[in-house]
Amino acid sequence: ETGVTQTPRHLVMGMTNKKSLKCEQHLGHNAMYWYKQSAKKPLELMFVYSLEERVENNSVPSRFSPECPNSSHLFLHLHTLQPEDSALYLCASSGIKDTQYFGPGTRLTVL
Amino acid sequence: AQTVTQSQPEMSVQEAETVTLSCTYDTSENNYYLFWYKQPPSRQMILVIRQEAYKQQNATENRFSVNFQKAAKSFSLKISDSQLGDTAMYFCAFIPYSGAGSYQLTFGKGTKLSVIP
Repeated sequence: ETGVTQTPRHLVMGMTNKKSLKCEQHLGHNAMYWYKQSAKKPLELMFVYSLEERVENNSVPSRFSPECPNSSHLFLHLHTLQPEDSALYLCASSGIKDTQYFGPGTRLTVL
Repeated sequence: AQTVTQSQPEMSVQEAETVTLSCTYDTSENNYYLFWYKQPPSRQMILVIRQEAYKQQNATENRFSVNFQKAAKSFSLKISDSQLGDTAMYFCAFIPYSGAGSYQLTFGKGTKLSVIP
């Protein structure tokens, strides 16, 4: 696989479930990002990790919990989500302060 | 805070014709990057073109070129010889070069471009 990959591509979960989204980058980058893309809204940055340390957290509810075990992997742990959390979740990576490259996204539906 | 405005929610163009997508932005920063990203219906966001604000020369990538007007804070994308594969949502994005916001891409709401055979 090349570039930025995300699994799963589709996820349906109930409000009481716990699930995780996975992102992996094969570009040798040092920074990784989670974005939320909802219909008719601009992309919203959720979290940024640079050199495996969280550098930004844009007031995201605690039901979203990121984890960056190394510079190639990023997870988003989900628990007790709400229906309004249904969206496309995009992962991206970049060099330090450089162009961001995106993965294909995970389409999340919360029932 | 930075803002990015794309005033054309939807556009269409005939195959092989030229189309220009508009983008304006607002910032107090002097050094920054601007981007156009493309998101086809398959939904992977793909980088189309990038412009550094300190460069006066407009960026070009094959059939894609920009008209960067720093004083006017305008950054339009021109697509020449439009192809069916250009059908997608196009997002204009901004990022400051340094400072606290230098990781945060600010996106516009997008322009949905349809290329008509």
